[in-house]
Amino acid sequence: DTGVSQDPRHKITKRGQNVTFRCDPISEHNRLYWYRQTLGQGPEFLTYFQNEAQLEKSRLLSDRFSAERPKGSFSTLEIQRTEQGDSAMYLCASTTGGQETQYFGPGTRLLVL
Amino acid sequence: DAKTTQPNSMESNEEEPVHLPCNHSTISGTDYIHWYRQLPSQGPEYVIHGLTSNVNNRMASLAIAEDRKSSTLILHRATLRDAAVYYCILRDSGRPDDKIIFGKGTRLHILP
Repeated sequence: DTGVSQDPRHKITKRGQNVTFRCDPISEHNRLYWYRQTLGQGPEFLTYFQNEAQLEKSRLLSDRFSAERPKGSFSTLEIQRTEQGDSAMYLCASTTGGQETQYFGPGTRLLVL
Repeated sequence: DAKTTQPNSMESNEEEPVHLPCNHSTISGTDYIHWYRQLPSQGPEYVIHGLTSNVNNRMASLAIAEDRKSSTLILHRATLRDAAVYYCILRDSGRPDDKIIFGKGTRLHILP
């Protein structure tokens, strides 16, 4: 399968713990996006990368959130000192420059207890 | 991004056509109309997009009003696997790589 992959698919953690999610985009896709989706809502944009450069961050991305894409391939999203309000589905998408369609991964579902 | 308006939910019988409406009265001349859908426990997937003319692909058809202020996604013969949330989205053709702004979409229920 050559689609976008995300790991883990599910994560349960206790409030205050740090968590890290990984996204592997489609090979040679230079743009990578992170979105967050809470129950009953559409996905909301968090941040995106072109190659290794982080070009835009949403106001939703508080200081506790950090995203990296060190070699322009896979990306990680870390949440420090998790809160119950961080419980959501975290989605990753990728595309190539100039292409309109974004290809989404299956998401990582986070539950903070 | 311009906003779209969709019904919260719709029902349809299996093997019948489904027409999912979307209003976008403030659409600009450079906005494409995109549709994505999200199956249960999956990420969104692209369905179809168009600018002015009606469009067909293997998944669906997109009918765009002449004034472009509304559009309809048509599933010609719905199956149980088409049960999903369908999102109608406007995207600026001048910024194809930009983030997607999703609304709440329409939850489509298919009755066997």
